Amino acid sequence: AQSVAQPEDQVNVAEGNPLTVKCTYSVSGNPYLFWYVQYPNRGLQFLLKYITGDNLVKGSYGFEAEFNKSQTSFHLKKPSALVSDSALYFCAVRATWGRSDKLIFGTGTRLQVFP
Amino acid sequence: ETGVTQTPRHLVMGMTNKKSLKCEQHLGHNAMYWYKQSAKKPLELMFVYSLEERVENNSVPSRFSPECPNSSHLFLHLHTLQPEDSALYLCASSQDRDYSYEQYFGPGTRLTVT
Repeated sequence: AQSVAQPEDQVNVAEGNPLTVKCTYSVSGNPYLFWYVQYPNRGLQFLLKYITGDNLVKGSYGFEAEFNKSQTSFHLKKPSALVSDSALYFCAVRATWGRSDKLIFGTGTRLQVFP
Repeated sequence: ETGVTQTPRHLVMGMTNKKSLKCEQHLGHNAMYWYKQSAKKPLELMFVYSLEERVENNSVPSRFSPECPNSSHLFLHLHTLQPEDSALYLCASSQDRDYSYEQYFGPGTRLTVT
């Protein structure tokens, strides 16, 4: 079955510390992987994606993600967290869906950065 | 932020009402999507339109009816909804259905069914 898992409902980190938001996936073939962020009362905003190439992908707002094929993971990282990074983060993977395809989203991880 | 707009932002309706949600994208994309976001649940894809072709999620009840008159506009017509349909409804667009392209989301319509 094609799926994506975000094992942590919430991640707490102090401002200035590094942060990691975890994501693992299960999909047939080569994965297309995405991270999105959702601020309160807003839609999802695209952060970064992995299609092919370098396993370390850099995205918006200083975020990066590391693709690990052997561990089927795509963890989101940032070297130094900001209070303004507090939001809901979604990992997604492209999956086949009949004669089409779609994005499968995880349940989301709430990131709380404390001053 | 203004690439994909949704109206209304908030909607309260009774179970016997008929209402419509509207989405408009100003990005020149040719694929549009409706998602349902409920608390503690994964984002649920409801409908996809690409080049006037509709790809339908068979698990979506018939009380939800999409309409895509052109590549820039997408509607979701609602009738005889149930309280469990209360959720945030998100519209998104992308360059096409090739998922190497990221999707751009609107701010959503917060729907409450009473």
